[in-house]
Amino acid sequence: GAGVSQSPSNKVTEKGKDVELRCDPISGHTALYWYRQSLGQGLEFLIYFQGNSAPDKSGLPSDRFSAERTGGSVSTLTIQRTQQEDSAVYLCASSPVASGNKNIQYFGAGTRLSVL
Amino acid sequence: GESVGLHLPTLSVQEGDNSIINCAYSNSASDYFIWYKQESGKGPQFIIDIRSNMDKRQGQRVTVLLNKTVKHLSLQIAATQPGDSAVYFCAEIMGGAQKLVFGQGTRLTINP
Repeated sequence: GAGVSQSPSNKVTEKGKDVELRCDPISGHTALYWYRQSLGQGLEFLIYFQGNSAPDKSGLPSDRFSAERTGGSVSTLTIQRTQQEDSAVYLCASSPVASGNKNIQYFGAGTRLSVL
Repeated sequence: GESVGLHLPTLSVQEGDNSIINCAYSNSASDYFIWYKQESGKGPQFIIDIRSNMDKRQGQRVTVLLNKTVKHLSLQIAATQPGDSAVYFCAEIMGGAQKLVFGQGTRLTINP
């Protein structure tokens, strides 16, 4: 596709349920990132994938959060046993740059998660 | 990175005037900076970037200024238009790290 695609665009779930959020990066981009944006806040880094390297999970807030990237393309962010404080917009970004300090990340529109 | 507050700073400008949005960063080792624009319901959109070995970079209607001495970044938008209404974020990268550290954001509103 032309840009980063995320699905679903909106997700409403009940506290305690598991949710999966999907990200399709821009074709050919080697790096993929997940961020979280709470209402009226900046973006908080969650996890970063680069090629076949071990992902940088340093931003995941708890062990209820995990992410996978299959085949170096599509990524899924899973939140287990959701809590109300998990309510936020989850943004995915991809970048064509494998390394170096010029790293323009292109963002999807996000998934708005609401935990009731 | 910056601390995140409950309220976004807001800048209101008249249509046609120039806008200046400021950002303070905390990490002196940061060597690459990006400005993003985020419209309601959308993801952040790249505007302009600058490396730490520069102090100014110009794009179309936008200019980014970097003052490493005081760790300050600014985005100047010339002849502000209604379509410029959005939240603007600065973001930094330090050394070999790949994750962006975002600032708090500034909401720009345009008065007709």
